[in-house]
Amino acid sequence: EIVMTQSPLSLPVTPGEPASISCRSTQSLVDSNGHSYLAWYLQKPGQSPQLLIYLVSIRASGVPDRFSGSGSGTDFTLKISRVEAEDVGTYYCMQALETPITFGQGTRLEIK
Amino acid sequence: QVHLQESGPGLVKPSETLSLTCTVSGGSVATNSYYWGWIRQPPGKGLEWIGYLYYTGTTNYKPSLRSRVTMSVDTSRNQFSLRLTSVTAADAAVYYCAGGYCRGPGCQLYYFDWGQGIRVAVSS
Repeated sequence: EIVMTQSPLSLPVTPGEPASISCRSTQSLVDSNGHSYLAWYLQKPGQSPQLLIYLVSIRASGVPDRFSGSGSGTDFTLKISRVEAEDVGTYYCMQALETPITFGQGTRLEIK
Repeated sequence: QVHLQESGPGLVKPSETLSLTCTVSGGSVATNSYYWGWIRQPPGKGLEWIGYLYYTGTTNYKPSLRSRVTMSVDTSRNQFSLRLTSVTAADAAVYYCAGGYCRGPGCQLYYFDWGQGIRVAVSS
């Protein structure tokens, strides 16, 4: 089983400031075609997770461009260029390379 | 993007069977572009993938739950279902049905679209 580890687990951010979340996997998420199967989700309070990013860096439809994803192999990063109040919630990374599908523990972003 | 809606009892007795159904709209379950699966989230905790199936009936379950899980698809109703037997307090969670978008000849998973979730408690 691929274990996903996020850091930090708690992230207080001042509005307008940038934020960064790290996600590491215990094995490479690259397949034979060179694609990396890493996705990011945001779970706002009381809601189901919503897709932000897939294939490491592709923003889902309707996701603001202040969100960006990067990384390769086993190390990945989600960046928010300027945090807004609506970005509050818990962020999860997920590996989709192989089953069992696994998630990081979650990073709770709060506004200072 | 498909829309998914869970339904089923919100309370199950210990040792009994949890049964949930997911109704899909905005697309057909009989598609080669999606897996149909379940993910759960215990109170205050993270996300746990339970398993998924393809419209052909091929299933893939989390190994630790495999002995208790059955998933099925009903193409005539555009629904898929989860059965989890012998539930305990550890199975209390919000259960999400999810559509796993996939591409390529091997249907490689890209991401999940999620339902709104249904809270299931386990208590006598």
